[in-house]
Amino acid sequence: SQQGEEDPQALSIQEGENATMNCSYKTSINNLQWYRQNSGRGLVHLILIRSNEREKHSGRLRVTLDTSKKSSSLLITASRAADTASYFCATVGGYQKVTFGTGTKLQVIP
Amino acid sequence: DTEVTQTPKHLVMGMTNKKSLKCEQHMGHRAMYWYKQKAKKPPELMFVYSYEKLSINESVPSRFSPECPNSSLLNLHLHALQPEDSALYLCASSQEGFGYTFGSGTRLTVV
Repeated sequence: SQQGEEDPQALSIQEGENATMNCSYKTSINNLQWYRQNSGRGLVHLILIRSNEREKHSGRLRVTLDTSKKSSSLLITASRAADTASYFCATVGGYQKVTFGTGTKLQVIP
Repeated sequence: DTEVTQTPKHLVMGMTNKKSLKCEQHMGHRAMYWYKQKAKKPPELMFVYSYEKLSINESVPSRFSPECPNSSLLNLHLHALQPEDSALYLCASSQEGFGYTFGSGTRLTVV
């Protein structure tokens, strides 16, 4: 399977704390994306980082990419209760084929 | 319009029924996708259409039949499904090099 692995599988933090999720993958990629999914709903695209980029910011989100280690991390700063969701990394290889990681379930406690 | 619209939102069907899931986008995206997601699992790719042509079929059983009538529409025809096919079916679209836009999904239950 080319599926990425994410850790931790579940994370529970207090509101205001930072949350870090990690993603490892196996194949070469064109870009890596992070998505959020609230329970039972569609996925929302958060951020895309290209294979020649090392770090990217979007609001309270910071994504890093290390292609030599085939890993990425997502940092959510100053978390809010509304950030409670599952977060998936997704690697994009050839032919627009997107493969999702196993996901991290984040709970932010008010 | 920056949305992907999926209908119906919920579907219950018997194992002998024939039904279709529909997906529509008007963002001019030329790639469209069907994903299947079981509870507490990541989405799994089923089909990719690029410029209205099927480019990827991830060894999906023939009881699932995709169709792309035009650049804005994507259908998934269902026939003789099994209870284990019950899942959330997600449609997405994209332009190359950009993030994917997902619909809110169809929750399918096969009885």
